[in-house]
Amino acid sequence: AQSVTQPDIHITVSEGASLELRCNYSYGATPYLFWYVQSPGQGLQLLLKYFSGDTLVQGIKGFEAEFKRSQSSFNLRKPSVHWSDAAEYFCAVGSKSDTGRRALTFGSGTRLQVQP
Amino acid sequence: NAGVTQTPKFQVLKTGQSMTLQCAQDMNHNSMYWYRQDPGMGLRLIYYSASEGTTDKGEVPNGYNVSRLNKREFSLRLESAAPSQTSVYFCASSEFRGGAAEAFFGQGTRLTVV
Repeated sequence: AQSVTQPDIHITVSEGASLELRCNYSYGATPYLFWYVQSPGQGLQLLLKYFSGDTLVQGIKGFEAEFKRSQSSFNLRKPSVHWSDAAEYFCAVGSKSDTGRRALTFGSGTRLQVQP
Repeated sequence: NAGVTQTPKFQVLKTGQSMTLQCAQDMNHNSMYWYRQDPGMGLRLIYYSASEGTTDKGEVPNGYNVSRLNKREFSLRLESAAPSQTSVYFCASSEFRGGAAEAFFGQGTRLTVV
């Protein structure tokens, strides 16, 4: 069964500082990987996704993530954080199977706080 | 475009009451999902529907039923609400092409069972 671990429940960074949110996955084959962001009281918005090819993927709002197969990781990064980035971030893994369950499996989330 | 629309946005129920959460998508997606979100637990899959006419259990189906009314609509029913079902419920949809797809989410329904 696939699973996702986000080791950091809560992270605080200063505005303008760099950011890295960690994500480790467990899946038998090459996974499909996603990062979503959730602002308070809102639904989830897709930041970026990895399906295949280049292991460094670019997303919206200046975010990027790197797929490292050897470490089973898909960490999210941003070089300079803005106050509006304060939100909860979810990593998710999807199945490639054309049969059976196709739903995404989510990590428990990392809440990002940005200090002025 | 509306995307995925959930109703209601907020609901308070008494223990033992029933209710149905409605979800509709206008993206012509085949697959639809219901998740619940609880603090520190991320999103957990309740039920999903891979295509019109099919439904299957997810991780936490107990106490819930679903109906895929047509391609657009996927409802979640609580027959006898319990305080443990206090949560935020999200509906999502996706379209699988080549074995992968992102999910599009509604704004959520915040349910409190007292």
